[in-house]
Amino acid sequence: QVQLVESGGGVVQPGMSLRLSCAASGFTFRHYSLHWIRQAPGKGLEWVAVISYDGSRKSFADSVRGRFTVSRDNSENTVYLQMDSLRPEDTAVYFCARDMGPLQLVYYFDYWGLGTLVTVSS
Amino acid sequence: SYELAQPPSASVAPGQTASITCSGDKLGEKFAYWYQQKPGQSPVLLIYHNTKRPSGIPERFSGSLSANTATLAISGTQDVDEGDYYCLAWDRGPVFGGGTRLTVL
Repeated sequence: QVQLVESGGGVVQPGMSLRLSCAASGFTFRHYSLHWIRQAPGKGLEWVAVISYDGSRKSFADSVRGRFTVSRDNSENTVYLQMDSLRPEDTAVYFCARDMGPLQLVYYFDYWGLGTLVTVSS
Repeated sequence: SYELAQPPSASVAPGQTASITCSGDKLGEKFAYWYQQKPGQSPVLLIYHNTKRPSGIPERFSGSLSANTATLAISGTQDVDEGDYYCLAWDRGPVFGGGTRLTVL
């Protein structure tokens, strides 16, 4: 079955960096685009970033563009979210989610991981 | 920036039909999607392309789109349907509605 497992969350100070990982299994990883979506404590969902199935296309929300980068290793079935210059407002649970379109990018999500909590605080 | 408006809360008696709306500029020209999230869990896709249900989603969940409002209907609502419901559409990127907390009375 499809599984997405996020890791790498933790507590960091403002201005610091953190790298999140999302390990995938149960499907042909190289055929699917992967998204990062976050949810601040007690708040709603916010899309953060996407990397296409072949890594050729990347897109970011305005709130993180220029600070976050996304990459993937199709040999390790893993996608990464590099978060630099972190701010208190980046505090959230970060979910990894699979794009529903194989070999395309359709911008909606069928499977989600359980998430990893990032807390930015001094 | 594009916004999708949802009522923050809704309530329904068991066995009745719950309706949750999602409104946005020119939403009728886009596709709408619906997710359910229960406390401490990840969101689950309920409806895609306005009206389609993924495999495994009960038939009591249905979606519609009219003008600039998408509606999620839950017929024969059960206690297990309590949770937060989010709509999603695309406008220069995926945009979520603010979410609606459904209470089954």
